[in-house]
Amino acid sequence: DTEVTQTPKHLVMGMTNKKSLKCEQHMGHRAMYWYKQKAKKPPELMFVYSYEKLSINESVPSRFSPECPNSSLLNLHLHALQPEDSALYLCASSQTSLRGVQPQHFGDGTRLSIL
Amino acid sequence: SQQGEEDPQALSIQEGENATMNCSYKTSINNLQWYRQNSGRGLVHLILIRSNEREKHSGRLRVTLDTSKKSSSLLITASRAADTASYFCATGNGSSNTGKLIFGQGTTLQVKP
Repeated sequence: DTEVTQTPKHLVMGMTNKKSLKCEQHMGHRAMYWYKQKAKKPPELMFVYSYEKLSINESVPSRFSPECPNSSLLNLHLHALQPEDSALYLCASSQTSLRGVQPQHFGDGTRLSIL
Repeated sequence: SQQGEEDPQALSIQEGENATMNCSYKTSINNLQWYRQNSGRGLVHLILIRSNEREKHSGRLRVTLDTSKKSSSLLITASRAADTASYFCATGNGSSNTGKLIFGQGTTLQVKP
């Protein structure tokens, strides 16, 4: 069992739908991340939240909208996605430190399919 | 963009043998981390080595770091079928407030029983 919980595990949606991915952690981590991973590829960073504020946006299209309502929750709102957005979306969390990027704890992801 | 190159892309060995994976990177780093990903699951952190360290051990894992060559290696000794997974190196720079991990392309390891 992972300490980062992502829901739903699978999501199929049409290009005109609006849906949200959810991520929750109770480890007291103040940094949270969204990644996109295509099959047989490494994770690609999308967003970083630090102390509930967006600190990094890797030039992600506006059809992906992140939200961090509190220190334990991270959402990714989806709207008007394209077929190429089909992928595994991973959430991660970590402690914060001025000594460098800390080990990240990952959820098992949401497998998203766009019809 | 992905910073790391991993070598080999795929590795198949018998149970009990050792597995070595290599990672190269391009920019300066604070630390280098290795992660494992089982099929259909999230990544699991294995080990972190700081830029001022040359070698680190954790159980059956041994990691080396050569900052002059911008390379690292992960050795898994006495491999088990349960070690079958994809392994990624990831380089970190900056603080966690602004820094990020950049993952290598990964090595797929198959350990045959």
